[in-house]
Amino acid sequence: EVQLVQSGAELKKSGESLTISCMGSGYSFLTYWTAWVRQKPGEGLEWMGFIYPDDSDTRYNPSFQGQVTISVDKSNNTAYLHWSSLKASDTAMYFCARHGVGNGMDVWGQGTTVTVSS
Amino acid sequence: SYELTQAPSVSVSPGQTARITCSGDALSKRYPYWYQQKSGQAPVLVMFEDNRRPSGIPERFSGSISGTMATLTISGAQVEDEADYYCYSTDNNGNHVVFGGGTKLTVL
Repeated sequence: EVQLVQSGAELKKSGESLTISCMGSGYSFLTYWTAWVRQKPGEGLEWMGFIYPDDSDTRYNPSFQGQVTISVDKSNNTAYLHWSSLKASDTAMYFCARHGVGNGMDVWGQGTTVTVSS
Repeated sequence: SYELTQAPSVSVSPGQTARITCSGDALSKRYPYWYQQKSGQAPVLVMFEDNRRPSGIPERFSGSISGTMATLTISGAQVEDEADYYCYSTDNNGNHVVFGGGTKLTVL
């Protein structure tokens, strides 16, 4: 079964760092882009960026460039989303998704809730 | 501009046809993808490449495009189709990646 499993919910304070993860299984993880998508409470979906695990080619939405870092560990089929200094405005649900050429984001993780208190 | 514009809401009665539109210049070059997101759940891909449904998506879902407007049509909408629907576009090089603002479909 093709699936993406994300790390659990996080409760953090402003200024703290955080890394959340997304592990793929059941497919060739290295040869599909892994995307990250943000959804703030009551709002729509925002593409943050994606990474191609085989060569770590990474693309960012300009709105998120410099705010987060996307990385990958090929040895355990896991992509990461990292903040070095969280803000209250980072409070949101974060999804990862498999992104193929021609078939979009066709498999999604269950989401990770990040809550940042000021 | 690579923005995608969707109406905020659409409402139909069960059994009626629901049409959800998405417009933007990007659609003159490529088909959008369509996602369904039910409350509290992850999005699900329901349409890609103009009118292709992933496995498991009912036949009542169909897609079309004319110029710079794409339409997701649900023929004979069911109560279980009530959800937020998002269109999405990107080129094959990972450029111009954008989601529409989403349309809330109410079926009651």
